[in-house]
Amino acid sequence: GAVVSQHPSWVICKSGTSVKIECRSLDFQATTMFWYRQFPKQSLMLMATSNEGSKATYEQGVEKDKFLINHASLTLSTLTVTSAHPEDSSFYICSARDYGTGALSYEQYFGPGTRLTVT
Amino acid sequence: AQSVAQPEDQVNVAEGNPLTVKCTYSVSGNPYLFWYVQYPNRGLQFLLKYITGDNLVKGSYGFEAEFNKSQTSFHLKKPSALVSDSALYFCAVIRAGFQKLVFGTGTRLLVSP
Repeated sequence: GAVVSQHPSWVICKSGTSVKIECRSLDFQATTMFWYRQFPKQSLMLMATSNEGSKATYEQGVEKDKFLINHASLTLSTLTVTSAHPEDSSFYICSARDYGTGALSYEQYFGPGTRLTVT
Repeated sequence: AQSVAQPEDQVNVAEGNPLTVKCTYSVSGNPYLFWYVQYPNRGLQFLLKYITGDNLVKGSYGFEAEFNKSQTSFHLKKPSALVSDSALYFCAVIRAGFQKLVFGTGTRLLVSP
């Protein structure tokens, strides 16, 4: 089945530093990837939609300059949290659509998530 | 606009008993519906989906869901619960032709031995 990986699985950084999270589709090509944020005991909040080779589309209220998204290839999207602050601490999850088989199914395959803690 | 409601924050059921996790949706046009499960500190795992066809959908781990258009519901069911089914369950909807998956707030399932 379609597998999506995320790296790192957890990261601790100091306030003011930047951290990059990678999302990879391992066995399929993903023209579209999605980045979600999940607070404890809450649902997933879509942050942005990332399309290969073009700028990401951010949801309302998400700071584009703080959460930089790059989708440079069909198997890799990255989320960089710039100048991180404690309030950015959260669980970040990416997902990808396999247009090879998923175009008609609309199914998204999710990564295992990255736990970010900003001290 | 699309929306999903999961009216129960938590569902408690004894092992071996049937379980139901409720989900209702609101979307203009044809809905595509999904159930995902999340274990602690993990991403979401796909359980099942309804795109078209038979209203009763069978998925992973013995779960099934029934699409009811008149009631705009897509309840998740399992005939006999296992302790290992204890997790957080999310219902989600996407409108045909669109990309965004809209999630419900999640229902925590607790299966007691």
